[in-house]
Amino acid sequence: AQSVSQHNHHVILSEAASLELGCNYSYGGTVNLFWYVQYPGQHLQLLLKYFSGDPLVKGIKGFEAEFIKSKFSFNLRKPSVQWSDTAEYFCAVKALSSGSARQLTFGSGTQLTVLP
Amino acid sequence: ETGVTQSPTHLIKTRGQQVTLRCSSQSGHNTVSWYQQALGQGPQFIFQYYREEENGRGNFPPRFSGLQFPNYSSELNVNALELDDSALYLCASRPASQETQYFGPGTRLLVL
Repeated sequence: AQSVSQHNHHVILSEAASLELGCNYSYGGTVNLFWYVQYPGQHLQLLLKYFSGDPLVKGIKGFEAEFIKSKFSFNLRKPSVQWSDTAEYFCAVKALSSGSARQLTFGSGTQLTVLP
Repeated sequence: ETGVTQSPTHLIKTRGQQVTLRCSSQSGHNTVSWYQQALGQGPQFIFQYYREEENGRGNFPPRFSGLQFPNYSSELNVNALELDDSALYLCASRPASQETQYFGPGTRLLVL
């Protein structure tokens, strides 16, 4: 079964600082990769996704992520964070092996706090 | 907005009781999944339904069961509630031809 590790449980940054959140997964086959964000009191929203092709994907609100297959990583980045980026961020993996229900496996999340 | 709604928003039950949570998906979203998100954790997959049949289950006991209806609504039933069942329960849906899931706002269940 696949698993997902998010190394940073809580990250605190000042506005305009650069952000990188780590995500590693364990699964040897083909995967789809996702980053979701959960703003306080709101539902999970899709930030970006990787299915195939260019390993650098761009999402909403200036976020991007890079898939590095050799490292089983899918790190999330943003050059300059804003106070409104304060939220919890979840990395998720979907294994595409035959016979699987293709469920999402989530990491434990990273709480990002941006100080004004 | 994802077009996925859940009810109720909050619920308090006592240990041993049974609970039913509901989800309404967008038209055409014939695949629905349920997740349990404990405090401070990421969502964990409970099960998935496709065309009204369960076609995948995570590491949850049989007292967690579900139903999916032709009108794109679904239910999660939990019997014999335990204190550890206290969590946010999320419903997510998608058309079977797509891989991206759309999440509802969740139902927060507290078991006393």
